[in-house]
Amino acid sequence: QLHLQESGPGLVKPSETLSLTCTVSGGSISSSSYYWGWIRQPPGKGLEWIGSIYYSGSTYYNPSLKSRVTISVDTSKNHFSLRLGSLTAADTAVYYCARHEGSGWLDPFDYWGQGALVTVSS
Amino acid sequence: QSVLTQPPSASGTPGQTVTISCSGSSSNIGSNYVYWYQQLPGTAPKLLIYRNNQRPSGVPDRFSGSKSGTSASLAISGLRSEDEADYYCAAWDYSLSAWVFGGGTKLTVL
Repeated sequence: QLHLQESGPGLVKPSETLSLTCTVSGGSISSSSYYWGWIRQPPGKGLEWIGSIYYSGSTYYNPSLKSRVTISVDTSKNHFSLRLGSLTAADTAVYYCARHEGSGWLDPFDYWGQGALVTVSS
Repeated sequence: QSVLTQPPSASGTPGQTVTISCSGSSSNIGSNYVYWYQQLPGTAPKLLIYRNNQRPSGVPDRFSGSKSGTSASLAISGLRSEDEADYYCAAWDYSLSAWVFGGGTKLTVL
C-alpha cells in the first residue's frame, strides 16, 4: 500500500522560505510512471494546487505561485520536495503531497499524505 | 474566490438523496473531466469520482457524478451519517494552465 508522509518545519517567519519533503513508501518514485504533486488548504478554506513533478524532474506549476515555487525530486531517497519563498501570512495552510493517478499531471490525485500545517508568523 | 462554484452547504436526513452542484466555464468543466473529492473532518481529501462519473474501487454506488456543459453534479443517495464531510469538485483549466477546485460544500446529515 502506497504511503506518503510530509515533513518539515511547522512555523516559518514572513519573507522566509518554506521547505517541505514528501517521503514515499510502499512504492518507488522512479520505477512508476507517475506525477507527484503538492496541494495546500488554508485553515477553513478550499484546496489550491501548487504544482507537480515527474520522477525525471519535469515540473508544472500553478501560474499564480510559479514565481515563488520550486518542486524537486530525489529518486535515491524516494522523496520529492517543495520550496515556497517570500512567505506571507496568506501562505499559512495545511500542505498535502499527493500522487497523480495516471502517468500525467492531468490525472487526478489518488493517494494523499496526511498533511502538514505550516504557519507563517513572526 | 474559487474558479469553480459550489454551494457552501447542503443537508439531508438519513436515507434521502442529496445533490451538490459545481459550476465552471468552457475552459475547465466545459472541456475537461470533472473530479470529486470527499474530505472527512481532520483528514486528507479522498478521490470519490473521476472522469465525470466513474467511481474508484471501494467507493459505494450511492455516490454518482454527472456533467452537462459547464456544470457538474454529485449525487449521494441513501444518505448516511458517515457521509458528513466536505465535498470538492475539481477540473483542469486550460486557460489558467492549472488544476482548479470548487470552494467546497459542507454536507450535514440531520
